Amino acid sequence: AQSVTQLDSQVPVFEEAPVELRCNYSSSVSVYLFWYVQYPNQGLQLLLKYLSGSTLVKGINGFEAEFNKSQTSFHLRKPSVHISDTAEYFCGEWSNTGNQFYFGTGTSLTVIP
Amino acid sequence: KAGVTQTPRYLIKTRGQQVTLSCSPISGHRSVSWYQQTPGQGLQFLFEYFSETQRNKGNFPGRFSGRQFSNSRSEMNVSTLELGDSALYLCASSLDVRDTQYFGPGTRLTVL
Repeated sequence: AQSVTQLDSQVPVFEEAPVELRCNYSSSVSVYLFWYVQYPNQGLQLLLKYLSGSTLVKGINGFEAEFNKSQTSFHLRKPSVHISDTAEYFCGEWSNTGNQFYFGTGTSLTVIP
Repeated sequence: KAGVTQTPRYLIKTRGQQVTLSCSPISGHRSVSWYQQTPGQGLQFLFEYFSETQRNKGNFPGRFSGRQFSNSRSEMNVSTLELGDSALYLCASSLDVRDTQYFGPGTRLTVL
């Protein structure tokens, strides 16, 4: 069965510090992975996605993610966070068998001034 | 282009009632997917519509249903509401189901 695991439910980090939000996926064949961000009282916004090619994917707002096939991971990173990055972050994958997107349970990032 | 809109933004209902939520996709998008978001569960897929046809359905009871109109607008209906149906219901539109999904702000349903 498809599953996406976000290893941390909450991540507090000080402003201007680096952050890594961890995600493990389950697809064993072709992969289509993504990260979305959800700001308070808003819908989800795509940060970045990976279908093929370079394993380092750059997204909006200075975020990037690295696809690691051997570890089935797709961790999200930012070298220096801002207060405005405080939000919920969702990792997910596309399932070719289920013809649907599967999302993780989310990681709440809190940036501390 | 206007984004995905959902109405109403907030709803309060009591157990046993039914509710209809509406979603207007981005112009030109024919695929509309619905998700239920609850704390700790993340987003769970409800169903996907394309050109007025339901192509895929998640693991939810039959009380949850939906439809899509010829202009791609979609509605979802929940009958015989239960307390556990309290959630944020998100609609997402895309050109086709595997393309990037654009989400609306959601409808927050509270069942008392």
